[in-house]
Amino acid sequence: AQKVTQAQTEISVVEKEDVTLDCVYETRDTTYYLFWYKQPPSGELVFLIRRNSFDEQNEISGRYSWNFQKSTSSFNFTITASQVVDSAVYFCALSEAGTYKYIFGTGTRLKVLA
Amino acid sequence: GAGVSQTPSNKVTEKGKYVELRCDPISGHTALYWYRQSLGQGPEFLIYFQGTGAADDSGLPNDRFFAVRPEGSVSTLKIQRTERGDSAVYLCASSLLAGVYNEQFFGPGTRLTVL
Repeated sequence: AQKVTQAQTEISVVEKEDVTLDCVYETRDTTYYLFWYKQPPSGELVFLIRRNSFDEQNEISGRYSWNFQKSTSSFNFTITASQVVDSAVYFCALSEAGTYKYIFGTGTRLKVLA
Repeated sequence: GAGVSQTPSNKVTEKGKYVELRCDPISGHTALYWYRQSLGQGPEFLIYFQGTGAADDSGLPNDRFFAVRPEGSVSTLKIQRTERGDSAVYLCASSLLAGVYNEQFFGPGTRLTVL
């Protein structure tokens, strides 16, 4: 069965702190894709990253970095030096090869306080 | 370029009524998806179109829900005999091609409230 778990419902940090959002997934497939999306207060989901199951290299994009570990079925997201504009709900999602639907986690609400 | 657009942005209806929600995908995108997001939850897959045909409708909760995409572009999600439990944000997404290697671009959603 496919499942994505984001155990952190809400996180509050002070601006400039680093924060890590956890994502744990379950799948029986060997080929799958993982995603992170940001949902700001406006409501529109914004694509952040896609990672396939064969690529375990960590990725860094500006203040964002992602740590993919197949051994623990985790795909964690770190924001370095957080800013108020990072405040949003962040969703992790899984898609198995051969299906086109995304299975989303329940999201983590990040509040960055000035 | 223009993103995915959805109309209306808000829809309030009474229990038992029929509603239609419209999605305009990004121009040139062949794949179109509908999701439903309840309060405090992640989006939940409803149906996916490749061109005009529904390639996977396994997420539709029951036969009151139906979706069409007659010309392979605009799609309409139709809900008959609405129930209070149908209240949610209905999200539409599109991707250039089908397949997980093509990320899905989401619209702003239609917030449906059933009284």
